[in-house]
Amino acid sequence: DTAVSQTPKYLVTQMGNDKSIKCEQNLGHDTMYWYKQDSKKFLKIMFSYNNKELIINETVPNRFSPKSPDKAHLNLHINSLELGDSAVYFCASSQDWGTGDEQYFGPGTRLTVT
Amino acid sequence: AQSVTQLDSHVSVSEGTPVLLRCNYSSSYSPSLFWYVQHPNKGLQLLLKYTSAATLVKGINGFEAEFKKSETSFHLTKPSAHMSDAAEYFCVVSDLLLRGNKLVFGAGTILRVKS
Repeated sequence: DTAVSQTPKYLVTQMGNDKSIKCEQNLGHDTMYWYKQDSKKFLKIMFSYNNKELIINETVPNRFSPKSPDKAHLNLHINSLELGDSAVYFCASSQDWGTGDEQYFGPGTRLTVT
Repeated sequence: AQSVTQLDSHVSVSEGTPVLLRCNYSSSYSPSLFWYVQHPNKGLQLLLKYTSAATLVKGINGFEAEFKKSETSFHLTKPSAHMSDAAEYFCVVSDLLLRGNKLVFGAGTILRVKS
């Protein structure tokens, strides 16, 4: 049973294209997140949703638009892709948004922009 | 804002010897701290967490960490390294925001285990 799943696992595309990454969790959690891991393996939060409502938006370019159709899904759409968007994107979920709530991560989506 | 500093970017140990991965944190309140592990080309797995209960926290795969407020440290240890422990380890602090909380990651420590 996969707890947090992401599709696709790999995504290779050209500059200027628009692409989406999907995330689903079957843990019954209320809160979901997107993180970006750059080429130096540094991880940083991008967005967080709680019960379909955006609660964290960390100065991410507005080319990135998250969408949460229900609390089990959080998708990431990226417009006009740039070379600097190449990274691994991780989805995560937690029971709630408290500081003690551990986050469970998906396997990641490796995005390569050429 | 909360932050963590991992003191070593690389640690190399021999199989069967102890592991010590060092982490210092900065927090304006009692923090929640975590250690995550990332094996090559894999996602992140939670090893253990501290949330103001016992200061010595036991995690999976024989790892444990001790919260020391006086030293603002949360070092990760394991008595005997196994080849399968080779991975990158992240010390993480939870930063409580006006709404929600975010995980703030350290830069990571790559653990190499020699046979």
